[in-house]
Amino acid sequence: DGGITQSPKYLFRKEGQNVTLSCEQNLNHDAMYWYRQDPGQGLRLIYYSQIVNDFQKGDIAEGYSVSREKKESFPLTVTSAQKNPTAFYLCASSKSASGYTFGSGTRLTVV
Amino acid sequence: GEDVEQSLFLSVREGDSSVINCTYTDSSSTYLYWYKQEPGAGLQLLTYIFSNMDMKQDQRLTVLLNKKDKHLSLRIADTQTGDSAIYFCAETFTNFGNEKLTFGTGTRLTIIP
Repeated sequence: DGGITQSPKYLFRKEGQNVTLSCEQNLNHDAMYWYRQDPGQGLRLIYYSQIVNDFQKGDIAEGYSVSREKKESFPLTVTSAQKNPTAFYLCASSKSASGYTFGSGTRLTVV
Repeated sequence: GEDVEQSLFLSVREGDSSVINCTYTDSSSTYLYWYKQEPGAGLQLLTYIFSNMDMKQDQRLTVLLNKKDKHLSLRIADTQTGDSAIYFCAETFTNFGNEKLTFGTGTRLTIIP
């Protein structure tokens, strides 16, 4: 079955460390997105990519980086420059305006 | 810019209808969506409506769109305990050919037995 997979489900980071969240899809979708979810704030867009080897900053890109070397993969790195990284991170993909398909999320906690 | 607003909480008795409201600002939106999120999970697309439609019905779900007032609503008939979740509305926003979704804050629906 086609779908979008995020890993790991839970991730713990020490202060000052970079961590990378994985997002893989086998839906043949061109566009992929990363959102951050905090309680009471809905989803905020971090980065998005409409095509391989191209990506754009979203509303809260500072402290994050991405790459899009393959159509299927859109990893997100949370760098040490992100001062408040504890959140639930959601990856999504889309092919058309019929809506996004979301992964099951990664919960990142700074310890 | 784009902005999507929802009330944060809604409580409904089991068996009653739930109505979740949303207002948006981008009049050029082509599609508007409703997503459901259960605890600790990703978002599940419930339904969407094209901007030239006024209403869409899908089993227990009815979506109403008032383009003049930029108001979108989701009605869930015969609300069940399994409907407890956070519901997000979202609109498409196109910026220099790049299309992305803008989400509301989400409405947490609680079912009262």
